[in-house]
Amino acid sequence: DTAVSQTPKYLVTQMGNDKSIKCEQNLGHDTMYWYKQDSKKFLKIMFSYNNKELIINETVPNRFSPKSPDKAHLNLHINSLELGDSAVYFCASSQEGDRWETQYFGPGTRLLVL
Amino acid sequence: QKEVEQDPGPLSVPEGAIVSLNCTYSNSAFQYFMWYRQYSRKGPELLMYTYSSGNKEDGRFTAQVDKSSKYISLFIRDSQPSDSATYLCAGGRGGGADGLTFGKGTHLIIQP
Repeated sequence: DTAVSQTPKYLVTQMGNDKSIKCEQNLGHDTMYWYKQDSKKFLKIMFSYNNKELIINETVPNRFSPKSPDKAHLNLHINSLELGDSAVYFCASSQEGDRWETQYFGPGTRLLVL
Repeated sequence: QKEVEQDPGPLSVPEGAIVSLNCTYSNSAFQYFMWYRQYSRKGPELLMYTYSSGNKEDGRFTAQVDKSSKYISLFIRDSQPSDSATYLCAGGRGGGADGLTFGKGTHLIIQP
């Protein structure tokens, strides 16, 4: 069973489009995250979310918005895509409390904006 | 200055060698330190985590944290070609819905 899954695996789209990436975790965790890994392999936190709060990295443009329909899902919506949004996006989850730091990552979604 | 610094490599060693991977960090609030392994075109996979300063061993892997010098190390004994991957170190403050701050990763190549 896949612990953290993401769809789609690959996403190729035109500049200016709006797209979404879905993330689901079956670990029963209450905190989920989105990370961006750029072409230089630098992995950077974008959002973290649990049922209490959404923490947004101040460097993330407001074209990016996370949506959580329920505790097991945290989807990433991106409006007006730009060339610089091309990257690999990883979803992750962890359990708040003693083991919050043990984050499990999904396989990633490779986004290419043309 | 980035919060977590890591030499990107590549670091190439022969099979069976002891590998030493290192990071430095600047955020004094970090209490938790992790090492993730990432194979090409895959998601990061947690290898080791330590709380505060000290050592932790798990099989062929040993993680060390020295908070006084803000230095994080990962040692791999009896390295195998399957250990070839990118190794990411990360730090976290602990508690709450807070993410991890990652280094850029070190690309490790184990030559058969």
